[in-house]
Amino acid sequence: DVVMTQSPLSLSVTLGQPASISCRSSQSLVHSDGNTFLNWFQQRPGQSPRRLIYKVSNRDSGVPDRFSGSGSGTDFTLKISRVEAEDVGDYYCMQGTHWPLAFGGGTKVEIK
Amino acid sequence: EVQLVESGGGLVQPGGSLRLSCAASGFTFSSYWMYWVRQAPGEGLVCVSRIKSDGTTEYADSVKGRFTISRDNAKNTLYLQMTSLRADDTAVYFCVKGISWDWGQGTLVTVSS
Repeated sequence: DVVMTQSPLSLSVTLGQPASISCRSSQSLVHSDGNTFLNWFQQRPGQSPRRLIYKVSNRDSGVPDRFSGSGSGTDFTLKISRVEAEDVGDYYCMQGTHWPLAFGGGTKVEIK
Repeated sequence: EVQLVESGGGLVQPGGSLRLSCAASGFTFSSYWMYWVRQAPGEGLVCVSRIKSDGTTEYADSVKGRFTISRDNAKNTLYLQMTSLRADDTAVYFCVKGISWDWGQGTLVTVSS
């Protein structure tokens, strides 16, 4: 099974400053169809998760452009260019290339 | 607008059974793969099962042989039949629509004596 490893476990960020979360998979996430099914989710306190990024770098509708995803193969990154108060919550990467699907352990983002 | 409404959670004794339902609306239910994802209290997310649009099912090893996912396309409803429940099955169970990964609000299952 694919193991997704996220770092850091938590991040304390000053408002307006950037933040970066790393996600590493134990094997390549390139599907046989050529796509890389790496997603990023945000879970605000008390809410259901919401997808932010799909296929590594594509922002979902309504997601602010301060969120960006990058990476390839086994190494991926979610960046927030300028953290806002509403960005507080847990962030998870998830691979959808191999079954069973697998989520990273999560990164808690808080405001300093 | 996609809506996913889970129900059926509650308190059950170890070894017991429970059936979760997820009422879907706002999209052509039969065309989409659907997932059940759970989150134990204070923990991360785990995908426990999925069902493809053709009815093919898959399970995480932790629930294989105990949980059964199914769908009723006429009723636009997804199900998760859970048997031989254990304490470590305690979690909020989310119903998730494939492709766009829209999530329901979740239903809490507590396995305890």
